[in-house]
Amino acid sequence: QKEVEQNSGPLSVPEGAIASLNCTYSDRVSQSFFWYRQYSGKSPELIMSIYSNGDKEDGRFTAQLNKASQYVSLLIRDSQPSDSATYLCAVNRSGTYKYIFGTGTRLKVLA
Amino acid sequence: GAVVSQHPSRVICKSGTSVKIECRSLDFQATTMFWYRQFPKQSLMLMATSNEGSKATYEQGVEKDKFLINHASLTLSTLTVTSAHPEDSSFYICSARRSVEQYFGPGTRLTVT
Repeated sequence: QKEVEQNSGPLSVPEGAIASLNCTYSDRVSQSFFWYRQYSGKSPELIMSIYSNGDKEDGRFTAQLNKASQYVSLLIRDSQPSDSATYLCAVNRSGTYKYIFGTGTRLKVLA
Repeated sequence: GAVVSQHPSRVICKSGTSVKIECRSLDFQATTMFWYRQFPKQSLMLMATSNEGSKATYEQGVEKDKFLINHASLTLSTLTVTSAHPEDSSFYICSARRSVEQYFGPGTRLTVT
């Protein structure tokens, strides 16, 4: 089992719809969770971080964390073609420096 | 925000030469920086963790004598690819840790001919 798993996609959604991206992790003592967006040929950009159970909203983005079920998700409301990118989930265990990245989910927003 | 720069953004070198890539945190101090490599259409691969003032920690399978890392100050880490070969051609990305978050530089595209 991979430490951080994501469906590679592509996930295709129409413009204006809600895109739902999911990530599961195996290490129960993971403490910090991050979503990065990576456009083709560019480096990853941090878009959300979440540390406690529940929802965290920032503009059109909502991160959801459920530690009991060991999953974290990212919802993108009113999806735009400019949201088309690969979304990386990352997990960090408290007290360690290392971040474990998933392989990413490719999102395509269709105009 | 947290800004991380990388230089150069693109480099082409001949096989057998060495290339140095600089990573700087511009508006914060970073005791920990990371170096990643990414091949086309593949995921990020962590190469090493760089801690200011101490030796880097390399991931399994990464040759420490080939990929020299120096983290001499709280805002600068360098990666030197020694005796580069065409198979070292890749996208090299650094990141810097601020609090628990990690911020990436724009990356360096290395082509070895």
